[in-house]
Amino acid sequence: QQPVQSPQAVILREGEDAVINCSSSKALYSVHWYRQKHGEAPVFLMILLKGGEQKGHEKISASFNEKKQQSSLYLTASQLSYSGTYFCGTEKGSARQLTFGSGTQLTVLP
Amino acid sequence: KAGVTQTPRYLIKTRGQQVTLSCSPISGHRSVSWYQQTPGQGLQFLFEYFSETQRNKGNFPGRFSGRQFSNSRSEMNVSTLELGDSALYLCASSHGTGGPGGELFFGEGSRLTVL
Repeated sequence: QQPVQSPQAVILREGEDAVINCSSSKALYSVHWYRQKHGEAPVFLMILLKGGEQKGHEKISASFNEKKQQSSLYLTASQLSYSGTYFCGTEKGSARQLTFGSGTQLTVLP
Repeated sequence: KAGVTQTPRYLIKTRGQQVTLSCSPISGHRSVSWYQQTPGQGLQFLFEYFSETQRNKGNFPGRFSGRQFSNSRSEMNVSTLELGDSALYLCASSHGTGGPGGELFFGEGSRLTVL
C-alpha cells in the first residue's frame, strides 16, 4: 500500500524551512527519502531504519516514528537547489523493494 | 566512479510491439531494481535482481519481464505493448547485501512512448 505524503506541494522563499510528512498504514522496516529534479534521476537523501539508525546527508534531517509508522523530512534554511519533487519510499520487511509515495513538489523562490 | 547507465534514453513504439531496455549498474553493485514512473501512478516497483536471480517482483502483468547477467547488467522486456505502458522506466542499483535499507542509485531512465 502506497504511503501518504503531505503536503502535495509547497512554495518557499530562500531561507525558509519546510517539513514533508510520510505515513503508512503498514508496519515498516525503513523509510527512504529521495529528491527528483525535473528530467533527472531521483537522488538519495536519507534512510531511516527501524531501531533509530539513520544514514544520509548532513544538511538534511528526518525523523521516523515507528509506533505511528510516520516519517518527516526537515529542510531548514532552504536554498534554490532544494527545489524538486521529494519522494518517500517504504520497506516493509526483508523484501528489498520500495513503495513510493506520490511525491511532494517543493519550489524555492529567490 | 561511473553512475548507472540506461539505454536507450528515448524510444517510440507502437501498440503490440515489444521493447527491451538495458541497465548497467555501478561497478561492484550486484542488485538491480526496475521502477516504472508515470504521472498518474507515480513510482512503481517492477522487480529486483541480485546475482542473476529475481529476488522480488511487483504487481505487474507477465508482459513485463527481466533478467540479469553475470556482470550484473540487467535488461527488462515488455511484450505486446499497450498505450498505458508509456512511462519513464528507471533502473536503480545497490550493493544488495546486508538486508533492506540500502541506498539506491538511479539511472536517468528510458522514456518509452507507445503510440
